[in-house]
Amino acid sequence: EVQLVESGGGLVQPGRSLRLSCTASGFTFGDYAMSWFRQAPGKGLEWVGFIRSKAYGGTTEYAASVKGRFTISRDDSKSIAYLQMNSLKTEDTAVYYCTREAFDYWGQGTLVTVSS
Amino acid sequence: DIQMTQSPSSLSASVGDRVTITCRASQGIRNDLGWYQQKPGKAPKRLIYAASSLQSGVPSRFSGSGSGTEFTLTISSLQPEDFATYYCLQHNSYPTFGQGTKVEIK
Repeated sequence: EVQLVESGGGLVQPGRSLRLSCTASGFTFGDYAMSWFRQAPGKGLEWVGFIRSKAYGGTTEYAASVKGRFTISRDDSKSIAYLQMNSLKTEDTAVYYCTREAFDYWGQGTLVTVSS
Repeated sequence: DIQMTQSPSSLSASVGDRVTITCRASQGIRNDLGWYQQKPGKAPKRLIYAASSLQSGVPSRFSGSGSGTEFTLTISSLQPEDFATYYCLQHNSYPTFGQGTKVEIK
C-alpha cells in the first residue's frame, strides 16, 4: 500500500527556517518524481515545487512564490523527500502536502504556521 | 502559467441530484487533468485522471469528460458522502488547480 507521511511542521517566526520531510513506503521511491503542494487556511491548493527522479537528473522546479527561498531534495536510500523552507513569511502559513509523481497519492499534510 | 477557471464556486444540491462542475483552461492542455475531492481537514483524493479515467475504488457515479480547454466532472446521483469541495488540477505545465467548488446540502 502506498503511503506518504509528512512531518516537521510547527510554529516558526518570520524570517526563520523549517525543514519538512515526506516519508514514502509501498512503492519504489527512486523511480518517481515527488511534489509539494500547500493550502493556506480556508483557501485553495497551490503547487510549491517538485523534484524529478534521478533517472531524469533529479532536477527541481518551483513556483514563483517560493523560488529562491524553498529547496526540495530527496534521499532515495531512505525514501524521503525534503522541503527546506528559508526566509519564511506569514503568507507561507499553510498545510503542506507531498504527492507522488502522478498526483495520485497524497500525504495527510503537516501544518506550518509562520507568526511572531 | 496555465489558469484554470472552475465554476460554480459553490452549489446546493439534494441527495439524488445530478451535479456538474466545469473547468476551463486558459490554453489547451490535451487531457492532462484530474479531479479531486477534499473533505474538511483531509488531503485531496483523486477521483478522475486523464480527464475521463475513473480512479480505482471510486464509485461509478463520478465521471469526467473533456479535452483541450473544457472539462466537466459529473456526479450522476449525489450521495450524502459526496458533500465536499471539488478541484480540478491540470498538469500539462506546472500544476495549477481550479478555485474549487463547494457542494453543500440543499
